[in-house]
Amino acid sequence: AQKVTQAQTEISVVEKEDVTLDCVYETRDTTYYLFWYKQPPSGELVFLIRRNSFDEQNEISGRYSWNFQKSTSSFNFTITASQVVDSAVYFCALSGQGGSEKLVFGKGTKLTVNP
Amino acid sequence: AAGVIQSPRHLIKEKRETATLKCYPIPRHDTVYWYQQGPGQDPQFLISFYEKMQSDKGSIPDRFSAQQFSDYHSELNMSSLELGDSALYFCASSTRRLAGGQYNEQFFGPGTRLTVL
Repeated sequence: AQKVTQAQTEISVVEKEDVTLDCVYETRDTTYYLFWYKQPPSGELVFLIRRNSFDEQNEISGRYSWNFQKSTSSFNFTITASQVVDSAVYFCALSGQGGSEKLVFGKGTKLTVNP
Repeated sequence: AAGVIQSPRHLIKEKRETATLKCYPIPRHDTVYWYQQGPGQDPQFLISFYEKMQSDKGSIPDRFSAQQFSDYHSELNMSSLELGDSALYFCASSTRRLAGGQYNEQFFGPGTRLTVL
């Protein structure tokens, strides 16, 4: 069975602080994909990144960066110099190799960035 | 670029009524997924279709049914609605990954917010 754990339920920071959202996953698949989605208060799911299990390179996109470590089954997400517009619920998700590519989501981390 | 279209965006129903949610995938996408997100919860996979055939099934109640039509749009039919069915229902679409091929992105629609009174 596949499982995604986001241990941080809520995080509150002050603008310009850096913040890291943790994600730990479980899967028996040898090939799998990891994702981060952002859900602002308006409700839509905004795709942020996809990572393949065979590509452990870290990635940076502007203020966002992701750290993928297979050895610890973690796929953490860091926002540098946070802004109020970053306030949202962030979901980590996993998709396996076989069958349909359904997504298994973590419970989400609610990030509040205060001015 | 065209996105996934869901209709209606908001729906209010009474208990024991029926509801039909519609999803129009991105052109040339042949796979549709339905997810249910309860208040304060994560999205939960309900069901998926590929080329009009059910490809996977998750925690979908027996009171719900879904299908994909020849134009690839999909409908989620919900009967005997209960208060607990109040949720945000997302549809996502993608192209089917070929065996051994790269994962194909799921693109999510804006969701339909169903409120059962």
